[in-house]
Amino acid sequence: SAVISQKPSRDICQRGTSLTIQCQVDSQVTMMFWYRQQPGQSLTLIATANQGSEATYESGFVIDKFPISRPNLTFSTLTVSNMSPEDSSIYLCSVRISPQSEQYFGPGTRLTVT
Amino acid sequence: DAKTTQPPSMDCAEGRAANLPCNHSTISGNEYVYWYRQIHSQGPQYIIHGLKNNETNEMASLIITEDRKSSTLILPHATLRDTAVYYCIVRPTSYNQGGKLIFGQGTELSVKP
Repeated sequence: SAVISQKPSRDICQRGTSLTIQCQVDSQVTMMFWYRQQPGQSLTLIATANQGSEATYESGFVIDKFPISRPNLTFSTLTVSNMSPEDSSIYLCSVRISPQSEQYFGPGTRLTVT
Repeated sequence: DAKTTQPPSMDCAEGRAANLPCNHSTISGNEYVYWYRQIHSQGPQYIIHGLKNNETNEMASLIITEDRKSSTLILPHATLRDTAVYYCIVRPTSYNQGGKLIFGQGTELSVKP
C-alpha cells in the first residue's frame, strides 16, 4: 500500500487568487492522479500527473486553470488558479504503485473560495 | 470504459449482511470490477476487485455473475462504521494504459442500529 499526505488539509481563499496543493507519497509510485469532488457530488478525474512531462488532462480541465507538476516519483502539486466560488471542492491526490495495482487516495484538501 | 449502474441508496440493519448490487452490462473481457467506499470527509478506500471468479478478503466478498454483467458486494456483518458511499467501477487492465478509475454516483449505504 501507499500512504499519501496532502497539504494543506483545508483552506479558505479569496476569489482571483491561486492555491497550490501538495501531495507526498511515502514510496515511489508509477502513477499519480488528481481528482475533484464538488459538494454532494462524486469524484471527477482532473488529470494524470506525468513525471518529467506535461500532465494529461481530462475533458473540461485545462492546464492554465489547473497546472500540475510532478518532479519525481513521490511528489506532485496541483494549483487551482484564478479561483472562483465554483472551485470550492475537495481536491484529492491518488496514486498507483504500478499500472495494474490498486489505487490509493489521500485525505483530500477542502477548498472554500469566497 | 464500461459504465456502471448502482442504486442511489440502501439501508441495512447492524449485524446483518449488506448486499450492494452493481450492473455493468457493457463490461468487456479485459475489464476488472473494483469496489471502493468513501466514508464521510475521507478519501476513497479500496475494498476488493475481481475479474471472473468470486473474491473474498477481510473486508468483503465480491460475487460476479457468470456473464459478468453484474456483481454484488457483500459486507457479511455490517457495522455502523460501514456507513459510507460505495462505488462500483470497471477498469481496463492493459499494461500500457493502466486504466483510469472513473467514479459514478455510487450507493449510499446507511447501517442502522
